[in-house]
Amino acid sequence: QQQVKQSPQSLIVQKGGISIINCAYENTAFDYFPWYQQFPGKGPALLIAIRPDVSEKKEGRFTISFNKSAKQFSLHIMDSQPGDSATYFCAATDSWGKLQFGAGTQVVVTP
Amino acid sequence: EAGVAQSPRYKIIEKRQSVAFWCNPISGHATLYWYQQILGQGPKLLIQFQNNGVVDDSQLPKDRFSAERLKGVDSTLKIQPAKLEDSAVYLCASSADRGNNEQFFGPGTRLTVL
Repeated sequence: QQQVKQSPQSLIVQKGGISIINCAYENTAFDYFPWYQQFPGKGPALLIAIRPDVSEKKEGRFTISFNKSAKQFSLHIMDSQPGDSATYFCAATDSWGKLQFGAGTQVVVTP
Repeated sequence: EAGVAQSPRYKIIEKRQSVAFWCNPISGHATLYWYQQILGQGPKLLIQFQNNGVVDDSQLPKDRFSAERLKGVDSTLKIQPAKLEDSAVYLCASSADRGNNEQFFGPGTRLTVL
């Protein structure tokens, strides 16, 4: 039973375009929502994270939008670059720190 | 600051054989995690240690998987006997403490069971 549902499974975007990845959760005990970026042969690395008392967080070209009532959150990658080509995972955790990951989205940025 | 170290990076074994993975977390990190990442899926937590005690092993297949973290630093994950469905990347992560602190992941060990 997957506690965090992520879509799309993959997406292709042109350089300079916007990549949007969506996630939804059910467990209202979740109180921390990180996004991880993973390159082939590497472990996931934290990209950006948000807590439910904030509706949006921006770090450089990466923005998380959070809708607590809908139990949904999304990652926007602005001005996508070829170096952003990777697999992105949304995740959620409660106060015990147990990360529940989404299934991942493979992003390909074409030149 | 050195990252999370894992070895070996790759391992190929026959089914029913045993295998062990090693993890050295970031110095001073109290919490250590082992995840299983099957191709095309997100990582799934197998076990979580707080220092040398187990916090959560609810998703560890205890009939074949075991893990230990002696002295609260390094950790080993063992599979005995391995099954075909154990083919995956095994990721080790550590955090300063349990809770919502950032988890730092190692590069993983890719296991192939033939």
